Amino acid sequence: SQKIEQNSEALNIQEGKTATLTCNYTNYSPAYLQWYRQDPGRGPVFLLLIRENEKEKRKERLKVTFDTTLKQSLFHITASQPADSATYLCALGNQGGKLIFGQGTELSVKP
Amino acid sequence: KAGVTQTPRYLIKTRGQQVTLSCSPISGHRSVSWYQQTPGQGLQFLFEYFSETQRNKGNFPGRFSGRQFSNSRSEMNVSTLELGDSALYLCASSSEDRGLNEQFFGPGTRLTVL
Repeated sequence: SQKIEQNSEALNIQEGKTATLTCNYTNYSPAYLQWYRQDPGRGPVFLLLIRENEKEKRKERLKVTFDTTLKQSLFHITASQPADSATYLCALGNQGGKLIFGQGTELSVKP
Repeated sequence: KAGVTQTPRYLIKTRGQQVTLSCSPISGHRSVSWYQQTPGQGLQFLFEYFSETQRNKGNFPGRFSGRQFSNSRSEMNVSTLELGDSALYLCASSSEDRGLNEQFFGPGTRLTVL
């Protein structure tokens, strides 16, 4: 069955450093991959989308890579700030429109 | 534009009862998806409606059902509630203008089953 794995443990980093979150998947060939941010008590907020034929996508301090051979996506936040502390979710989608989400990785950025 | 709204925000029910949750998508969005979020299972897809038709369905029992109205508003119903149905139920809408399927989520309805 389809399976998505994100860093199972919380990630704690120092302000100013680069945070790197991992999303691995099996038994699936997604057409695209998305990253969302979720704060406590709120719904997820869309951050970035990367298609299967794209290797890398950037948006301000965010960078996403997508390796369909390794079946892995890496999500980077450069120059991290305490305000970046949240749970980050990856989601895989295909042309049918159904999204499958990972469990999420909790990121904590300390000042 | 106003965001996705969900009502009610909090709900407490007892086992065996049924519940109806409501979602109003962003104006112009025709796709509405429902998700269940629990600490153990994460965010799980329930179903998606597009132009009043169920287009995709997740792996949930028939007790979970939904519908969409002509104005794209959607409702989700859970019958014969079980303790395990306690969760945050999230609704998301999408414009699909570019086929990107970017989901705009509402704040969720926190359902507690006693």
